[in-house]
Amino acid sequence: GDSVTQMEGPVTLSEEAFLTINCTYTATGYPSLFWYVQYPGEGLQLLLKATKADDKGSNKGFEATYRKETTSFHLEKGSVQVSDSAVYFCALSGDTGFQKLVFGTGTRLLVSP
Amino acid sequence: SQTIHQWPATLVQPVGSPLSLECTVEGTSNPNLYWYRQAAGRGLQLLFYSVGIGQISSEVPQNLSASRPQDRQFILSSKKLLLSDSGFYLCAWSVLGSGGFNEQFFGPGTRLTVL
Repeated sequence: GDSVTQMEGPVTLSEEAFLTINCTYTATGYPSLFWYVQYPGEGLQLLLKATKADDKGSNKGFEATYRKETTSFHLEKGSVQVSDSAVYFCALSGDTGFQKLVFGTGTRLLVSP
Repeated sequence: SQTIHQWPATLVQPVGSPLSLECTVEGTSNPNLYWYRQAAGRGLQLLFYSVGIGQISSEVPQNLSASRPQDRQFILSSKKLLLSDSGFYLCAWSVLGSGGFNEQFFGPGTRLTVL
């Protein structure tokens, strides 16, 4: 079945550092890919998405490119802020009929001043 | 615009007591609805989903159940809570028949502690 693998956390960075959170997936066909963010004590919010190969999703300075050849969707940000501290989830959705979202286990990001 | 509500926000219940968590969606019709659980230090686990009134699909065997009495209302229940039911419960919705991809929108969550 479909699956998503994320790098384990926590990822600890200083403010203004470069961020990469790795995400790879296994799926048949052409899934859509998502990054969700969960701030402390809150539900999940969609951060960005990409629906086909080579698409780049971007939002709030975060970017991720849908790489079908490497089945990856790594999240990047050039300069993190303390307010970016949260748990980040990579997810995919299949491309036929009704499809559930399949989530990775999440990666906690801690940014210190 | 669409909004999703969950209540209560926090709940502390003794082992063996019943549970009822409610989720409602506003601003959309015929949504797909989902219940997830996030146990401490773990990822998201899909518990139930529903594509219409009275239609419930269960993803994992457990002592929880779900019901959808109205189009935009989704209820998570248990007759007798276990310690292992503690966690953060999230409700989500997506547009029915969105095809292509399934973007889900999450509620604020209910933190359940079973003692």
